[in-house]
Amino acid sequence: NAGVTQTPKFQVLKTGQSMTLQCAQDMNHNSMYWYRQDPGMGLRLIYYSASEGTTDKGEVPNGYNVSRLNKREFSLRLESAAPSQTSVYFCASSEYSRGNQPQHFGDGTRLSIL
Amino acid sequence: QQQVKQSPQSLIVQKGGISIINCAYENTAFDYFPWYQQFPGKGPALLIAIRPDVSEKKEGRFTISFNKSAKQFSLHIMDSQPGDSATYFCAASNSGGSNYKLTFGKGTLLTVNP
Repeated sequence: NAGVTQTPKFQVLKTGQSMTLQCAQDMNHNSMYWYRQDPGMGLRLIYYSASEGTTDKGEVPNGYNVSRLNKREFSLRLESAAPSQTSVYFCASSEYSRGNQPQHFGDGTRLSIL
Repeated sequence: QQQVKQSPQSLIVQKGGISIINCAYENTAFDYFPWYQQFPGKGPALLIAIRPDVSEKKEGRFTISFNKSAKQFSLHIMDSQPGDSATYFCAASNSGGSNYKLTFGKGTLLTVNP
């Protein structure tokens, strides 16, 4: 009964390093999302994938890329990490990308960039 | 432009008391209003949601009140318990869009003292 699994749970990077955050869901959901959570800022959408084969920018896409590898997996890549990208990253999924679909979240990746 | 404004930022309530969190939105196209609950170290989880065709929805000790004319909605937690201590996020979306985006408030940290 895993739901949404994110790896790694914690990571420390140096400025300029690259990294890929992994996300997989086992609920056969069509839509997947990446958010970042910063203190006092709530959850902000980085990118989303309404269905396999499609990706779209969210509110804060700069500095990130995504890949919808298959229906289960949606990865987030930081090509050249910057201290401003220190955050907690959450992956989520929903059955469809309609607005009234509940989103199921993973437990997050805590990323620090020095 | 922040489309969903949430208050207060933090709230301390005694066990057995009523916790009230308020949200206001600007986009009149929003027609789905969920609340998410997040415990430390975990991802947010859907708690309760409402559509604007009703003014109130109750699930156990949790109630959403909705005022369409004022563009406001609120979460009431009756008989608050220490186990309710968490961060609560209101959100809003347009369920009619083909690719929807869920807009979150900035969150309220609720502490229920025993």
